[in-house]
Amino acid sequence: AQKITQTQPGMFVQEKEAVTLDCTYDTSDQSYGLFWYKQPSSGEMIFLIYQGSYDEQNATEGRYSLNFQKARKSANLVISASQLGDSAMYFCAMREPYSGGGADGLTFGKGTHLIIQP
Amino acid sequence: ETGVTQTPRHLVMGMTNKKSLKCEQHLGHNAMYWYKQSAKKPLELMFVYNFKEQTENNSVPSRFSPECPNSSHLFLHLHTLQPEDSALYLCASSQGTREKLFFGSGTQLSVL
Repeated sequence: AQKITQTQPGMFVQEKEAVTLDCTYDTSDQSYGLFWYKQPSSGEMIFLIYQGSYDEQNATEGRYSLNFQKARKSANLVISASQLGDSAMYFCAMREPYSGGGADGLTFGKGTHLIIQP
Repeated sequence: ETGVTQTPRHLVMGMTNKKSLKCEQHLGHNAMYWYKQSAKKPLELMFVYNFKEQTENNSVPSRFSPECPNSSHLFLHLHTLQPEDSALYLCASSQGTREKLFFGSGTQLSVL
């Protein structure tokens, strides 16, 4: 079963509008972290924002905010005042506690392809 | 200078070739990762190294062989690959295994 689900394969948004990218996750752990990354056509994955499972307030980083609804296991990314340069793939990811004492890395969703139109 | 550098950016190889992908991080991090990104699939974690020790191997075929000589360098040695191994291979590093990952730009691999 998928641990990270992004239900929007692609989105078209008008420049300067706000955008919400959906992400739901599945875990039985109480301690976990949620991440959003942006991948432009150049290929590099760029970190955007992080939310810890015990953080009481929604994370914000400039134009990015994370709408964290723990009971719904939802961690949507909100981009305010979208710009043409926001066109890219966006990935939601989760880090769970250690298993076997090692580092597990991040588990990623399939991504949403966001296109900002002028 | 970018924090995580991968070379080459593009690689085309035949199924009988042997090649290596290189990753170098200039961030002083302790953990390094290899991910595989195929079209229309989520990123797949392949290997994790923490303080040069391999801590994760997610059932990756033996035709992929990682090497981590020090905390700043990570290699992925490739031999007798299959066409389905064609993908973008991303390297990442992090300060600790609980911190955010910093990625390189990837190597786009095509196996003919």
